[in-house]
Amino acid sequence: DVKVTQSSRYLVKRTGEKVFLECVQDMDHENMFWYRQDPGLGLRLIYFSYDVKMKEKGDIPEGYSVSREKKERFSLILESASTNQTSMYLCASSFPGRGDTQYFGPGTRLTVL
Amino acid sequence: EDQVTQSPEALRLQEGESSSLNCSYTVSGLRGLFWYRQDPGKGPEFLFTLYSAGEEKEKERLKATLTKKESFLHITAPKPEDSATYLCAVRGSYNTDKLIFGTGTRLQVFP
Repeated sequence: DVKVTQSSRYLVKRTGEKVFLECVQDMDHENMFWYRQDPGLGLRLIYFSYDVKMKEKGDIPEGYSVSREKKERFSLILESASTNQTSMYLCASSFPGRGDTQYFGPGTRLTVL
Repeated sequence: EDQVTQSPEALRLQEGESSSLNCSYTVSGLRGLFWYRQDPGKGPEFLFTLYSAGEEKEKERLKATLTKKESFLHITAPKPEDSATYLCAVRGSYNTDKLIFGTGTRLQVFP
């Protein structure tokens, strides 16, 4: 079974803080993705990575950065958190060439005060 | 532009009352349509992948079908535990592994 884990289920931070969200997958997947999910807007892609040290911007990268130093780990960084970044953050991974099915982690509910 | 539209936004069913959820898509050259189930406060759980018109897949009370413009998720004799939000997504037109998601259908099944 594919397993994707995220470092926290719930996180509360203050405006201006630097926030790290961590994601780890155990299936040796090349691809990893970060989404945010907001009511009425669905899942929106922030960043994705095809390989170690590689990253590409998704649809809403502003205010975020990412890091992928190891194949199994993909981190999302909020350099200076703002209230409009309060959201559910979802990490996913996939193995290209085998249906590209993305498998999701449990999500991190981030609240920025 | 690639687009996915799901309808209805919300659906309330009595236990045992069969129905269908719709996913309409616009993409140049479909390379995969995905259905996920999402429970409140949790990550999406993969259900099905469909690749070509006419393809069908089944799992318990769920059956997914695909045409050239839309996909249906048929729920036969639903139970309260089928209550969840069902998400549809397609792979983008270009050589990319990105998925474009619809906003989902929130299903509630009452006993």
